[in-house]
Amino acid sequence: GEDVEQSLFLSVREGDSSVINCTYTDSSSTYLYWYKQEPGAGLQLLTYIFSNMDMKQDQRLTVLLNKKDKHLSLRIADTQTGDSAIYFCAEKNTGTASKLTFGTGTRLQVTL
Amino acid sequence: GAGVSQTPSNKVTEKGKYVELRCDPISGHTALYWYRQSLGQGPEFLIYFQGTGAADDSGLPNDRFFAVRPEGSVSTLKIQRTERGDSAVYLCASSLEQLNTEAFFGQGTRLTVV
Repeated sequence: GEDVEQSLFLSVREGDSSVINCTYTDSSSTYLYWYKQEPGAGLQLLTYIFSNMDMKQDQRLTVLLNKKDKHLSLRIADTQTGDSAIYFCAEKNTGTASKLTFGTGTRLQVTL
Repeated sequence: GAGVSQTPSNKVTEKGKYVELRCDPISGHTALYWYRQSLGQGPEFLIYFQGTGAADDSGLPNDRFFAVRPEGSVSTLKIQRTERGDSAVYLCASSLEQLNTEAFFGQGTRLTVV
């Protein structure tokens, strides 16, 4: 079945870049997502990438996909205190399943 | 409203009681999903509706859990004979169609069973 794994915690200084990593199980056609969850709030979709892409950039966010290693990363440039949150990687197989499979989340702490 | 709305935002119930959690999806969204998020975990899939029908209920943990969407819009998640292990945040999401890449999440209902 599908499985998504993430490291639990990351601390960075304000202004530095953050890199959050995720590994996933393979599917022939899969969308991979990054969601942000702030305390007491719902999940906010940040960006997504289709598994036949290597990279996607959207303002301060860069998603890199290594299909060989089944590794996904989210880079946040110029990290701000407002970026402090839990970041979830999620996988969706467009072939049969409709559901998202989430990782356990990475808590990003931004320090001054 | 503009987003997915879930009510109540918080629910405390006694063990053994019955609860209903409501989800109002974004208008026009045909796909609706329920997820459960336990403390310190990522959301786990429960059930998916396409229109009025449950297209995939493989995530429902047991027969105490049931969900309906009678008119293809509002959905209700029903939990019978609640147990302390059911305590979690229940999240609802909707999207325009099944294969649409973007699902929008509500803020969730925090259920506490005491």
